[in-house]
Amino acid sequence: DVKVTQSSRYLVKRTGEKVFLECVQDMDHENMFWYRQDPGLGLRLIYFSYDVKMKEKGDIPEGYSVSREKKERFSLILESASTNQTSMYLCASGRGGSGTGELFFGEGSRLTVL
Amino acid sequence: AQKVTQAQTEISVVEKEDVTLDCVYETRDTTYYLFWYKQPPSGELVFLIRRNSFDEQNEISGRYSWNFQKSTSSFNFTITASQVVDSAVYFCALSERGRDDKIIFGKGTRLHILP
Repeated sequence: DVKVTQSSRYLVKRTGEKVFLECVQDMDHENMFWYRQDPGLGLRLIYFSYDVKMKEKGDIPEGYSVSREKKERFSLILESASTNQTSMYLCASGRGGSGTGELFFGEGSRLTVL
Repeated sequence: AQKVTQAQTEISVVEKEDVTLDCVYETRDTTYYLFWYKQPPSGELVFLIRRNSFDEQNEISGRYSWNFQKSTSSFNFTITASQVVDSAVYFCALSERGRDDKIIFGKGTRLHILP
């Protein structure tokens, strides 16, 4: 069964802490994505990566960075967490190229910043 | 510019009723794909269906059906004889030319099925 796995379902951090959210996919997909989901705002793209060590900013990259050292792993980093980064974070992967655009999602990581 | 509008923020129906979730899209591309995803309380978005812009045939899968109309730029989703397990947030999405790095999601419709 194909899978996107996010390392933590729930995290509670303090303002100013560095936060790592990890995501691993087992489908050999080229593209990986980090979305943020907030009530009333839907899914907003933070960053995506189309290859190892490559990244592109999405719609709301401020306050975030990413790392893709291996094809199957894509990490989201909050260098100094703030309360307005309290949210649900969703990782996804996709085949890339001129496919059909279907994404495969992880179960999400709910982050609370106090 | 591309846009996906799900005007219904939240819907509640009693179990066994039929319910339709609306999705209206905007795009200048002639080649695009439309999707519906379901997000149950567990959090993971689950793919339900994909349609390409050249295939306007409606689709039925069990209690689920989808009505794609290019003339009105709509891709509506109907659940027949709803069940409590259908309670979830449903997202409509549009992919420009089938590119997964060019996906626009609607804001989602939260569906409550009341027992």
